[in-house]
Amino acid sequence: SAVISQKPSRDICQRGTSLTIQCQVDSQVTMMFWYRQQPGQSLTLIATANQGSEATYESGFVIDKFPISRPNLTFSTLTVSNMSPEDSSIYLCSVGGWNNYGYTFGSGTRLTVV
Amino acid sequence: GDSVTQMEGPVTLSEEAFLTINCTYTATGYPSLFWYVQYPGEGLQLLLKATKADDKGSNKGFEATYRKETTSFHLEKGSVQVSDSAVYFCALYQGGKLIFGQGTELSVKP
Repeated sequence: SAVISQKPSRDICQRGTSLTIQCQVDSQVTMMFWYRQQPGQSLTLIATANQGSEATYESGFVIDKFPISRPNLTFSTLTVSNMSPEDSSIYLCSVGGWNNYGYTFGSGTRLTVV
Repeated sequence: GDSVTQMEGPVTLSEEAFLTINCTYTATGYPSLFWYVQYPGEGLQLLLKATKADDKGSNKGFEATYRKETTSFHLEKGSVQVSDSAVYFCALYQGGKLIFGQGTELSVKP
């Protein structure tokens, strides 16, 4: 299965600032996914990122708040914009499909907004 | 819509005890089902999966059987170890998306 490198692993940010999270995969993948895991909660899909097209956002998530880039088949970034304490979460990227190995996840970015 | 419900945690067991974590789902059609594990400070790892009714997924001593009649995919292990302490997530795949349950925290004491 694919190996994902995600960074930063954690960060503490001031409210009103933005943070960009990077996700690098060791093989070419068609779709990459970004999830949010709020404290003590399950994972919620933010958006699906296909290379060469705009990301598809889930209900409750908007591009202005979570812009995503997908410049090639091995890399994606998620930006958390104009942060507030409510954005404090773990953000994870994921690749793969159920019919192969199931989904593979990065180790996550633990974000704290103060 | 599609959803996954897990038993609430935290679950605390002694080493070598039997583990069951209940998972039921609601979905149209026949989704694929997964268990993921999240060890402290780490990302999610696929533990096991089942793609059709009556399939049994197994890995590292854990097992789960896809029960269509009861829409369930309960996770079991005969003898847990301290190293199994983690959060376990049940999930289904349907319509191009993974949908997760709320997670169950397992703590195994020596």
